[in-house]
Amino acid sequence: DGGITQSPKYLFRKEGQNVTLSCEQNLNHDAMYWYRQDPGQGLRLIYYSQIVNDFQKGDIAEGYSVSREKKESFPLTVTSAQKNPTAFYLCASSIGWGANVLTFGAGSRLTVL
Amino acid sequence: AQSVTQLGSHVSVSEGALVLLRCNYSSSVPPYLFWYVQYPNQGLQLLLKYTSAATLVKGINGFEAEFKKSETSFHLTKPSAHMSDAAEYFCAVSDAVAQGAQKLVFGQGTRLTINP
Repeated sequence: DGGITQSPKYLFRKEGQNVTLSCEQNLNHDAMYWYRQDPGQGLRLIYYSQIVNDFQKGDIAEGYSVSREKKESFPLTVTSAQKNPTAFYLCASSIGWGANVLTFGAGSRLTVL
Repeated sequence: AQSVTQLGSHVSVSEGALVLLRCNYSSSVPPYLFWYVQYPNQGLQLLLKYTSAATLVKGINGFEAEFKKSETSFHLTKPSAHMSDAAEYFCAVSDAVAQGAQKLVFGQGTRLTINP
């Protein structure tokens, strides 16, 4: 079955460390997204990518970085510059824009100790 | 820019009772609207979407939503709640300015609790 795989599901890191969250999709979707979810705040867009080798900042990109070297993969790095990185991170993909539906992965929960 | 407001961060109903989750949107153009559901520690799953074809939209698991332009609302309903409906529900509007990518703006979410 096609879908989105996020790993790891749970991750702990110490302050000052960078961490990379993996996102892989086998849906042949062109667009991919990273959202951050905090209690009571809904989902906020971090970065998105419309095609390979191209990506755009979302609403809360500071302290994060991404790459899109392959259509299937869109890893997110949470850097030490992110002041409050503890959150639930969701990766998604879509076949395009307009009324198209986003397909979500199961998420990665990052906790900074 | 589009925005979404969900009224009530927490809704509690009895099993078998009507479920009503409220969503109001702000959009300068005819919107695409979505309802997603999230079970604990999982991703989001699409319940239904509005794309201007019909104002009453039917989704999965017996849910439906009605688009009311005059009220800028897209409330989610289900006639009879089931224990399995307990989850968090998100309303979202599509910000279609980014060609090639679907930029969704989400509401804050409503946690639905079902009482036996």
